[in-house]
Amino acid sequence: DTGVSQNPRHKITKRGQNVTFRCDPISEHNRLYWYRQTLGQGPEFLTYFQNEAQLEKSRLLSDRFSAERPKGSFSTLEIQRTEQGDSAMYLCASSSRADTIYFGEGSWLTVV
Amino acid sequence: DQQVKQNSPSLSVQEGRISILNCDYTNSMFDYFLWYKKYPAEGPTFLISISSIKDKNEDGRFTVFLNKSAKHLSLHIVPSQPGDSAVYFCASRRSSGDKLTFGTGTRLAVRP
Repeated sequence: DTGVSQNPRHKITKRGQNVTFRCDPISEHNRLYWYRQTLGQGPEFLTYFQNEAQLEKSRLLSDRFSAERPKGSFSTLEIQRTEQGDSAMYLCASSSRADTIYFGEGSWLTVV
Repeated sequence: DQQVKQNSPSLSVQEGRISILNCDYTNSMFDYFLWYKKYPAEGPTFLISISSIKDKNEDGRFTVFLNKSAKHLSLHIVPSQPGDSAVYFCASRRSSGDKLTFGTGTRLAVRP
């Protein structure tokens, strides 16, 4: 068990560019979540997969955001045409049938 | 609509004394509650949880109390240690596998 792995850990991009983050969940965890955290706030839910099915999307997830989990293992979160307001820490988490959700170390995005 | 509230943004405690962090929730459908600890630039680390069928859960120096009628939970850390200094988030969910809703966090500083 190597924990939830996220990369890149840090990304600086110019406004208007596209960025993609990858998440590798804990092996055998069938549920995968994406959250976003900004300064002074708690993590905010973005979207959730059970295996390869995307079961829920927050209204925070505008049409510039897309998440995939094609084989029910790793997941990607893509942000198109980034805006300065997208600057945040993007957190991935996973869980099994148990109740605890485990988080990765996050991917920092800075849009300049 | 802040369904999970942590009204104290910060708390300072002397080493060896008890730290009490509080959390209130408004959604009566929440049935599972978790506490996470977060260091800067890292993802949240799971600390302890409690199901709504219990009113107390203890794990070493950490105890979580749940008062369902008041929709209130608290995390007690005793004795507090300098390494406990971090931001603590309360989180809740409605059913197994469901997304977590987080509070805004309380920053704990344990003074040596």
